[in-house]
Amino acid sequence: QKEVEQDPGPLSVPEGAIVSLNCTYSNSAFQYFMWYRQYSRKGPELLMYTYSSGNKEDGRFTAQVDKSSKYISLFIRDSQPSDSATYLCAMSAETSYDKVIFGPGTSLSVIP
Amino acid sequence: DAGITQSPRYKITETGRQVTLMCHQTWSHSYMFWYRQDLGHGLRLIYYSAAADITDKGEVPDGYVVSRSKTENFPLTLESATRSQTSVYFCASSVPSNEQFFGPGTRLTVL
Repeated sequence: QKEVEQDPGPLSVPEGAIVSLNCTYSNSAFQYFMWYRQYSRKGPELLMYTYSSGNKEDGRFTAQVDKSSKYISLFIRDSQPSDSATYLCAMSAETSYDKVIFGPGTSLSVIP
Repeated sequence: DAGITQSPRYKITETGRQVTLMCHQTWSHSYMFWYRQDLGHGLRLIYYSAAADITDKGEVPDGYVVSRSKTENFPLTLESATRSQTSVYFCASSVPSNEQFFGPGTRLTVL
């Protein structure tokens, strides 16, 4: 079993839809959870960062962490064509860089 | 230019050749990383460095060598390239935190 699992998609939605992206993990020591966005032929960029369980909202994006289920989600409201990208979840047990584990990514297309 | 840059952006080489991928950052971040990204595997850490002259292995270090004589540079060398090293390589940097800043990537093909 991989430490972090993520449905690779591709996921295709119409513009304006609510998108739900998810990751599951096996290591209960993970406390720091991140979502990176990666446009085609670009490097990943940090989108959301959360600690422990709960929700965090930033504009159209909401990150949720459920540590009891070892499950994290990223919701995108009012999706736009510019949201078309690959979304990588990442997590770590420590505050430092060490042992940040990335999921394989979900490819999202938002159709105008 | 400010930020993190990688060169070359694209490279084609042959099996057995030595290849060096360059990474340069202008933020004076102490930490630097090399990842490879392959379909189905996501980002896998090859090597990382906590400071100049300090490097350590990541998840998939075999066949790779790194050095860090200056804080801003972190070259990655494939001593004898193999087809299995065909991949997209990303360099990243950070202060001591989880937030890593990634370069644009180098797409390497080994024939």
